[in-house]
Amino acid sequence: GQQVMQIPQYQHVQEGEDFTTYCNSSTTLSNIQWYKQRPGGHPVFLIQLVKSGEVKKQKRLTFQFGEAKKNSSLHITATQTTDVGTYFCAAASGTYKYIFGTGTRLKVLA
Amino acid sequence: DAGITQSPRHKVTETGTPVTLRCHQTENHRYMYWYRQDPGHGLRLIHYSYGVKDTDKGEVSDGYSVSRSKTEDFLLTLESATSSQTSVYFCAISQGAPGTDTQYFGPGTRLTVL
Repeated sequence: GQQVMQIPQYQHVQEGEDFTTYCNSSTTLSNIQWYKQRPGGHPVFLIQLVKSGEVKKQKRLTFQFGEAKKNSSLHITATQTTDVGTYFCAAASGTYKYIFGTGTRLKVLA
Repeated sequence: DAGITQSPRHKVTETGTPVTLRCHQTENHRYMYWYRQDPGHGLRLIHYSYGVKDTDKGEVSDGYSVSRSKTEDFLLTLESATSSQTSVYFCAISQGAPGTDTQYFGPGTRLTVL
């Protein structure tokens, strides 16, 4: 069945440093979503990528979808303490359900 | 935040007892989902619903049943709770079909089975 790997599992950065999390699928995806979950909170939708090679930006966040539609990344420029949380990818491959990655927990040190 | 509530928010129960968790939405979204979240596993789909009385299994459905008698309510029942079902349970909703649309999550229910 479809497998979704997300790396790294944890990342500690100094405030102002950049951060990247990667999501890799064993199958070609129809689309991929990214969610953020603050400590003690619930997942909140960030973005959806659909097209091969797509790049979308939200302020300091840059999302990319791979050319083969099997991988994606989320990059945060100049992290802030408000970026703390766990970032999940959610991958859809035509099974009409999303498979979530295991998440990357980001800690930002002030 | 989308209008989704979950009840109870916290529950402690004993092995072998039945437990029902409730998800209520005010968005009139067609699709509703139950996930469980465990360390190292992310979010895993238990069951989902695509309309009143229409439900289907997710990847970890064993030991769980669901019901949806009204658009706004989706119930998750653990027929005989086990310690392996200790988890945080999230309900989610979407307007579009699974695998195509944004999912909005409820606040979660923390369940402990002793």
